[in-house]
Amino acid sequence: DAMVIQNPRYQVTQFGKPVTLSCSQTLNHNVMYWYQQKSSQAPKLLFHYYDKDFNNEADTPDNFQSRRPNTSFCFLDIRSPGLGDAAMYLCATSVDSSYEQYFGPGTRLTVT
Amino acid sequence: QKEVEQDPGPLSVPEGAIVSLNCTYSNSAFQYFMWYRQYSRKGPELLMYTYSSGNKEDGRFTAQVDKSSKYISLFIRDSQPSDSATYLCAMASSGGSYIPTFGRGTSLIVHP
Repeated sequence: DAMVIQNPRYQVTQFGKPVTLSCSQTLNHNVMYWYQQKSSQAPKLLFHYYDKDFNNEADTPDNFQSRRPNTSFCFLDIRSPGLGDAAMYLCATSVDSSYEQYFGPGTRLTVT
Repeated sequence: QKEVEQDPGPLSVPEGAIVSLNCTYSNSAFQYFMWYRQYSRKGPELLMYTYSSGNKEDGRFTAQVDKSSKYISLFIRDSQPSDSATYLCAMASSGGSYIPTFGRGTSLIVHP
C-alpha cells in the first residue's frame, strides 16, 4: 500500500542534543510538509517543500531545519532541542496544490 | 480570535448515539472544508471534505457547511466505540494558499 512512513515512531533526546526525524513516502506526491502537534492543539505547520522549493513558515524557530534530498524523503533536524520542543511531529504529503493531505503516523519526541 | 475554533471536549456518548461535532471560522475566503480523524498516537486521516456550502453524506457520516454562519458540522449516526478518536476540522481557501488551517480537534469517546 502506498503510504507515508515516519521513523522513529518514538524518539527520546537530551536537552540540547541534535536530533533528526525522517519521513518517506511511496505516494509519489510532490509536496511534503512538517507539522508540530502538541497535546490538544492544532497541528502547526513548520515548513513544506513544493517539489524542491523550500517554504519556511514565518514563526518557525531557527532551531528547526529541513532537508529533502529526493522526492521520496524528507528530514526534520532540530539543532538544539529544548523542553518546549517535546511534541508529536507529523509528516504529510499532497499532490500539487491539493488541499487533501496524507499524514504519516508521527514521531513523538521527548526531551529530557 | 483564532481563524478556526473547535471545542476540544472530550465528548462522551453511549454507543448508538448521534454525534455532532462543530467548528466555527472567521475567514470568509475558506471554500474547502475537511474533517480529519486522528486515533491516539496516530497521524490524522482525511475523513470527508466538502466544497463551499451544503451537505455531503458518506455512510454514517454527514458533513454540513453553513457559510453564512461560518459554521461547519460533522454528524456521526449510530456511533460505535471504534469511532472514538479526535476529530479535527480543517479549511482552505481557493485561489490562494492551498495549505489548510486546522482546528485543535474534538476528542470523542463512544462507550459501549
